[in-house]
Amino acid sequence: SQQGEEDPQALSIQEGENATMNCSYKTSINNLQWYRQNSGRGLVHLILIRSNEREKHSGRLRVTLDTSKKSSSLLITASRAADTASYFCATLKNNQGGKLIFGQGTELSVKP
Amino acid sequence: KAGVTQTPRYLIKTRGQQVTLSCSPISGHRSVSWYQQTPGQGLQFLFEYFSETQRNKGNFPGRFSGRQFSNSRSEMNVSTLELGDSALYLCASSYSGGAEEQYFGPGTRLTVT
Repeated sequence: SQQGEEDPQALSIQEGENATMNCSYKTSINNLQWYRQNSGRGLVHLILIRSNEREKHSGRLRVTLDTSKKSSSLLITASRAADTASYFCATLKNNQGGKLIFGQGTELSVKP
Repeated sequence: KAGVTQTPRYLIKTRGQQVTLSCSPISGHRSVSWYQQTPGQGLQFLFEYFSETQRNKGNFPGRFSGRQFSNSRSEMNVSTLELGDSALYLCASSYSGGAEEQYFGPGTRLTVT
């Protein structure tokens, strides 16, 4: 069963626009991670934010984490057609080794 | 550094058969996790192996099993295949399987007919 949910389920934007995806989860976590998947292929790690962090940046990516609301958001700025993919949040609880629990994902389409 | 490799990439099996999938982690990584991805259930954790021991297990029936070898390579086995086992099976490796990013392989697409 999924730890949480993501919204929107699908997002369609024009190149150059920003894309925001949200993720909610249910229990306390050690960290939250975002992954990208292109067309049913393997997942690519984007960014990891720990439970004691509130915001993290990596290139055009900005992730926020609100542990009081059990939610996170991923912002992709100045999107490109190559950003078209599915984006998943995944949570890791304390003392759970490498057991990631994934959300259902957001399907992002960036039109040129 | 070579990435995570999975073999085979595609597989077609018949109901009732069994299947073994293989995963070679990144050199030096000792944790290997397996996930099942289906359109209906999404990405679900199967199990994690660390230093040849199963450390975590998801909510899957006993038909799903795995093991890890001393070189950290891992295999998962599904016995008595059912139609619902059709999925993309992904493995991921990390150094210790703790609070760190995981590196995913390209997956094995299993189709059960």
